[in-house]
Amino acid sequence: SAVISQKPSRDICQRGTSLTIQCQVDSQVTMMFWYRQQPGQSLTLIATANQGSEATYESGFVIDKFPISRPNLTFSTLTVSNMSPEDSSIYLCSVDRTGGGTEAFFGQGTRLTVV
Amino acid sequence: AQSVAQPEDQVNVAEGNPLTVKCTYSVSGNPYLFWYVQYPNRGLQFLLKYITGDNLVKGSYGFEAEFNKSQTSFHLKKPSALVSDSALYFCAVRDKGGNNDMRFGAGTRLTVKP
Repeated sequence: SAVISQKPSRDICQRGTSLTIQCQVDSQVTMMFWYRQQPGQSLTLIATANQGSEATYESGFVIDKFPISRPNLTFSTLTVSNMSPEDSSIYLCSVDRTGGGTEAFFGQGTRLTVV
Repeated sequence: AQSVAQPEDQVNVAEGNPLTVKCTYSVSGNPYLFWYVQYPNRGLQFLLKYITGDNLVKGSYGFEAEFNKSQTSFHLKKPSALVSDSALYFCAVRDKGGNNDMRFGAGTRLTVKP
C-alpha cells in the first residue's frame, strides 16, 4: 500500500484567487493522478502526472486552469487558478505503482469551497 | 474508452440481510475491475479487485464480488450487512489494453438500517 498526505484538507477561498494542493507519498511511485469530485458526484480524472514529463490533461481540463507540478517521484501539486464557485469540489490525489491490475491509492482529499 | 455504470444511486438494506451493489462495465478489451468505499470526509479505500482467474473475488470487511463476463458485470456482495457498512461505494474499471487511467461509476450510497 501507499500512504498519501494531502494538504490542505480543506479551505475556503475567495473567487479570483488560486489554491495549490500538495500531495506527498511515502514511497516512490511512477504514476500520480488528480481527480475532482463535485458535490454528490463521482470522481472525474483531471490529469495524469508522471515524473519527468508534462502532465496529460483529460478533455475539459486545461493547464492554464489546473497547472500541475511533479518534481520527483514522491510529490506533486495541483493548482486551481482564478477560482469561481463552480470549482467548489473535493480534489483527490491518487497514486499507482504500475498501473494495470494494481489498485490505486487515494489521499484523504482537499475540500475546496469558493465564495 | 472504458466506462462503468452503477444503476442504483441508493441501496437500503436491513442489518443482517445480504446486500448487493450493482456494477456493469464497458471496455474494448479485457477489464481490470475494482471496488472502492468512501466514508464521509475521507478518501477512497480499496475493497477488492478482479484481474484474472477465479470469477469470485474476496476483499476487505467481508465483501466479495463476482465477475461475469457474459453480462459484463461485477456486482459487490456481502452475506450479512452491518450498520457500519453504510457509505458510498464506487466501481471502477481499467482497460488491460489501454492507458492506465481508472474510470469510476457514479457511486451507490448504501444505507444499512438497524
